[in-house]
Amino acid sequence: NAGVMQNPRHLVRRRGQEARLRCSPVKGHSHVYWYRQLPEEGLKFMVYLQKENIIDESGMPKERFSAEFPKEGPSILRIQQVVRGDSAAYFCASSLMAAPNTGELFFGEGSRLTVL
Amino acid sequence: KQEVTQIPAALSVPEGENLVLNCSFTDSAIYNLQWFRQDPGKGLTSLLLIQSSQREQTSGRLNASLDKSSGRSTLYIAASQPGDSATYLCAAISTGANNLFFGTGTRLTVIP
Repeated sequence: NAGVMQNPRHLVRRRGQEARLRCSPVKGHSHVYWYRQLPEEGLKFMVYLQKENIIDESGMPKERFSAEFPKEGPSILRIQQVVRGDSAAYFCASSLMAAPNTGELFFGEGSRLTVL
Repeated sequence: KQEVTQIPAALSVPEGENLVLNCSFTDSAIYNLQWFRQDPGKGLTSLLLIQSSQREQTSGRLNASLDKSSGRSTLYIAASQPGDSATYLCAAISTGANNLFFGTGTRLTVIP
């Protein structure tokens, strides 16, 4: 009865490298959300995806960031050419129902990115 | 745009005390409101979900209330224990929106 699984839990990258964060939703959930938590700040919405579709990416930075949720496999949040300001905890959540009638969101343990 | 505020930012209480955590939101047209617990370096654990048609929800020693007209929610913790020490986050999803808006949390310390 696995919940939302995220990996890696911790990732260290040097400036200019790429970071790939993976998220497997709760079994049976087809709605995935990514949030970012900067140090000493609240969680901020980045993107909402359904299988093979990006529904809302209004919180995603316009450059270097992309997300996908393929028909098979986990959702991927990709950050190209990382900078120190990208250091944060990235949380994935999933829901059974589609937003906005989303019901309860279930969160993973997060992936903590450190950019040197 | 929904804005969620949690006051105080930090709270220390002796073990056994009852306490209330406060959450306020600016857009009363919310679909639901969810309370989470976050331990240091960990993910979010959902505690209670209150739908817009509900006034409160209870789970064990926890009780969450929702007053849409005043834009407020409270989380009541009865007979606090050291294991309750964590950051408590309030998050609201507005009607028609796709995402939760989070407060910055209240960091609770229960002193044995």
